[in-house]
Amino acid sequence: SQTIHQWPATLVQPVGSPLSLECTVEGTSNPNLYWYRQAAGRGLQLLFYSVGIGQISSEVPQNLSASRPQDRQFILSSKKLLLSDSGFYLCAWSDMGLTEAFFGQGTRLTVV
Amino acid sequence: KQEVTQIPAALSVPEGENLVLNCSFTDSAIYNLQWFRQDPGKGLTSLLLIQSSQREQTSGRLNASLDKSSGRSTLYIAASQPGDSATYLCAVSSGANSKLTFGKGITLSVRP
Repeated sequence: SQTIHQWPATLVQPVGSPLSLECTVEGTSNPNLYWYRQAAGRGLQLLFYSVGIGQISSEVPQNLSASRPQDRQFILSSKKLLLSDSGFYLCAWSDMGLTEAFFGQGTRLTVV
Repeated sequence: KQEVTQIPAALSVPEGENLVLNCSFTDSAIYNLQWFRQDPGKGLTSLLLIQSSQREQTSGRLNASLDKSSGRSTLYIAASQPGDSATYLCAVSSGANSKLTFGKGITLSVRP
């Protein structure tokens, strides 16, 4: 069966520090991968998605970037965090085509 | 631009009650609609996926319906239990690659 791992679960980082969140999927090949952010009082917002290695699409302009160095690995990064980057970050995957999306357990990021 | 609305934002019911959670979307040209459950501080658990060609899906005490032409979906929970207390999110996929647009969710509290 397929599983998705996301870490760390919580992170407190100072303003201006770098960020790296990692997500891996097991049990499937060539999945579509997604990064969403859930901010307080707002719905989940799609940040990035990827349909293959090295293929990244950004949905909103922001201080973050994403990379997909391997088929089942998706990384969310920032060179310098802003206070506004605080939120709950969720990684998700789906099979190619119009199918069900599955989410990881999320990372709570607090920028101080 | 697709917009998804879930009203009310919160709901409290006594145990055993049958209840309906509503979701509406502005663009009826969707590929599928998915209902999720989110417990506090956790990731999303997929409950039901309805393809655009389907009218409803059932899983245990849950039944989700879709009326694409009117831009509405409902999640019916039968014989609610305290363990059903969580936030329920509705999301639609309006294009390729399963990118989802989410509502803000309905926080359900089932009182013993």
